[in-house]
Amino acid sequence: DAKTTQPTSMDCAEGRAANLPCNHSTISGNEYVYWYRQIHSQGPQYIIHGLKNNETNEMASLIITEDRKSSTLILPHATLRDTAVYYCIVEGQAGTALIFGKGTTLSVSS
Amino acid sequence: DSGVTQTPKHLITATGQRVTLRCSPRSGDLSVYWYQQSLDQGLQFLIQYYNGEERAKGNILERFSAQQFPDLHSELNLSSLELGDSALYFCASSVRVFNNEQFFGPGTRLTVL
Repeated sequence: DAKTTQPTSMDCAEGRAANLPCNHSTISGNEYVYWYRQIHSQGPQYIIHGLKNNETNEMASLIITEDRKSSTLILPHATLRDTAVYYCIVEGQAGTALIFGKGTTLSVSS
Repeated sequence: DSGVTQTPKHLITATGQRVTLRCSPRSGDLSVYWYQQSLDQGLQFLIQYYNGEERAKGNILERFSAQQFPDLHSELNLSSLELGDSALYFCASSVRVFNNEQFFGPGTRLTVL
């Protein structure tokens, strides 16, 4: 079973920041938080991952709480092309496969 | 474009038949993963290979098998197909066996009639 809890769906206006929350209260010390997204039946796409520090790349920012029990993926300026299902996944670096939950369906509208 | 290729894109077949799905990983990636996505089960891990050897098994049925060849491409064989096997099948690759940054192919959509 997935080790994370995410809202089923969220809406965001184009150009605004999209903040997608994820709860992972049972995360252990050596487990990373990964975010992937899937746009309409395409293959999932890696976005970002982190252990305890906040991370930023060209796609998004990842904010992890100090107790590591939750995190937020931030898309700073959402566009219509960001409409997708976003998956938050907790895995240790020594893990072998990604365990996908149901994810959050983000709908970006103009 | 992730660099992972999968063929065919679409496959329509009948119950009881056998099919082979093919995956070419990104150049340099030694690890290949297979996932199944159906409407009722979501994305599920099936099996992983690393440099030609099986590394991990997930919810893969006994009717399904896979292998990774010396050139690192992989094939997923599905036999005695049932209606419930209709799904999207994704292949992913990564550089290291324990690296969870995986690059997914576009998938093969299998329809069993």
